[in-house]
Amino acid sequence: QSVLTQPPSVSAAPGQKVTISCSGSSSNIGNNYVSWYQQLPGTAPKLLIYDSNKRPSGIPDRFSGSKSGTSATLGITGLQTGDEADYYCGTWDSSLSAMVFGGGTKLTVL
Amino acid sequence: QVQLVESGGGLVKPGGSLRLSCAASGFTFSDYYMSWIRQAPGKGLEWVSYISSSSSYTNYADSVKGRFTISRDNAKNSLYLQMNSLRAEDTAVYYCARDRYSSGWSNQLPYWGQGTLVTVSS
Repeated sequence: QSVLTQPPSVSAAPGQKVTISCSGSSSNIGNNYVSWYQQLPGTAPKLLIYDSNKRPSGIPDRFSGSKSGTSATLGITGLQTGDEADYYCGTWDSSLSAMVFGGGTKLTVL
Repeated sequence: QVQLVESGGGLVKPGGSLRLSCAASGFTFSDYYMSWIRQAPGKGLEWVSYISSSSSYTNYADSVKGRFTISRDNAKNSLYLQMNSLRAEDTAVYYCARDRYSSGWSNQLPYWGQGTLVTVSS
């Protein structure tokens, strides 16, 4: 069981918007920044969002992040088939003194 | 550009040892915290350990504490993970990753290596 809870899968049609939730607690998301990673099949994870809502250079503005209380959300607009991947949220857990990840969400673009 | 290249993975018997290496280039290695993250086959990401820029601080996941040791050699731009008393559940792809900020540990990882597979099996 992961410390952070994500839906196992989400799906949407090309061009549509999807959101992926990440639920935690006051010891992790509630008091720390959240990052989001995209993992395409057979490749290493790629940072999409840092500091809960900032995009590294080169990440299109179709990707956005937000945080409220003990939950965070990744939004993807204008879905493309190339967005099919696993998405993970991550943060620091102050009680565990460990970096923690969500279990991952598989995005299918129908 | 930032490059991280892991090596040292392979097949090892339960109870055995293995040492992973990560060669870094394209940035001032001695300025950044570094981490190891692993991913079991078909599973999600699991943080394993981090080490501070000067090796003063290390931290480990409970699942590896007492068995794994992270270290670095800033003169060689290299990160290491010594893995002892290996178990079947340690089977995973092991990634090294660099922290985002040079000022400390942010647990946000913009740079990852390609990973090296460790298989623990008799």
